[in-house]
Amino acid sequence: DGGITQSPKYLFRKEGQNVTLSCEQNLNHDAMYWYRQDPGQGLRLIYYSQIVNDFQKGDIAEGYSVSREKKESFPLTVTSAQKNPTAFYLCASSGGTGTDTQYFGPGTRLTVL
Amino acid sequence: AQKVTQAQTEISVVEKEDVTLDCVYETRDTTYYLFWYKQPPSGELVFLIRRNSFDEQNEISGRYSWNFQKSTSSFNFTITASQVVDSAVYFCALSEAGRDDKIIFGKGTRLHILP
Repeated sequence: DGGITQSPKYLFRKEGQNVTLSCEQNLNHDAMYWYRQDPGQGLRLIYYSQIVNDFQKGDIAEGYSVSREKKESFPLTVTSAQKNPTAFYLCASSGGTGTDTQYFGPGTRLTVL
Repeated sequence: AQKVTQAQTEISVVEKEDVTLDCVYETRDTTYYLFWYKQPPSGELVFLIRRNSFDEQNEISGRYSWNFQKSTSSFNFTITASQVVDSAVYFCALSEAGRDDKIIFGKGTRLHILP
């Protein structure tokens, strides 16, 4: 089955620790995206990548880092510099341009203890 | 600047009633795309529809229909004969061609279908 997988589904982190969220897709999509969702809020773009070895900051990139070493993988690291990391994180992919439909993974719920 | 407004934060209807979710957008571009996504309690966003700015024809898919009106910058979504499984948060989104490769999402409307 083609799709997007994110792991883990739930993640707990102590303050001051970095944590990496996984996102993998087998849709052969060029573009991948990371969003953050807070309760009662829409989606805010953290980072996106249109091609391997290249990525751009979104609207709320501070405290986050990404890499795109393989077409199918786009991991997100939440660093200790992120002031309020507790949120729901969604990964998406699309054919390549911003107007293409984005397809989403199941999400990772991160809680900082 | 591009913007998407979903004024209805939360709606509750009784099962089998029809319900319309409103979406108003702002854009300076003539070429743009509009989307609707459904987010059930599991959390994953499910794609429903993508419509380009040159196609104002209304769309129907089963119990779902969409009314696109450029004159009022609206792209409303109607569920006919609602069912409990329709309970979810629904997001409207906008993307402008050739600009930043981003999709801008509204804040969503939480829909409760009461049995």
